[in-house]
Amino acid sequence: DAGVIQSPRHEVTEMGQEVTLRCKPISGHNSLFWYRQTMMRGLELLIYFNNNVPIDDSGMPEDRFSAKMPNASFSTLKIQPSEPRDSAVYFCASMGTGELFFGEGSRLTVL
Amino acid sequence: SQQGEEDPQALSIQEGENATMNCSYKTSINNLQWYRQNSGRGLVHLILIRSNEREKHSGRLRVTLDTSKKSSSLLITASRAADTASYFCATDSFGNEKLTFGTGTRLTIIP
Repeated sequence: DAGVIQSPRHEVTEMGQEVTLRCKPISGHNSLFWYRQTMMRGLELLIYFNNNVPIDDSGMPEDRFSAKMPNASFSTLKIQPSEPRDSAVYFCASMGTGELFFGEGSRLTVL
Repeated sequence: SQQGEEDPQALSIQEGENATMNCSYKTSINNLQWYRQNSGRGLVHLILIRSNEREKHSGRLRVTLDTSKKSSSLLITASRAADTASYFCATDSFGNEKLTFGTGTRLTIIP
């Protein structure tokens, strides 16, 4: 298995633009998590899905953020409109038997 | 919000020495896990210890858990340069697979 695949690995955009981050979890994993990592706030859980259904989105910062999981092999995290404070590394992870398998992350810079 | 706090925040030791990192958490847990993150990469699962376990070993790793003190420690024996990374603890609670990460310990092994 190729592991969790995220794209893009790097994104630089201007304030106000829409950003879409993508994730392909490991086949057979039923739960998918989106985390955000910054120096100031560490690793924050944004949202997680189980069997494609959002279970806990209490970490989503505000209405500018939305996440979808239309099927078991694909999820998106969208920021619209983006702001400089959204600059961070966004990780997707899928859960095996209790442990998380992380992708390599998408580094977002909003100018 | 962070559930766990790692201590120390940063640790530098000579290659071959043992490294000990501690994690304290606030609320009752089901499992506690340790992860490693190399610079610019995603997190990698190291070891999981259940709340009814007190100690677990995996290769050069030894994890202890004291639920009465709400704390865990990770010991890496005979450290190597390749162990240079950040180490995070993560906890979940009964009936909830949401994993909350601590603040991390940055470990540097000096060759």
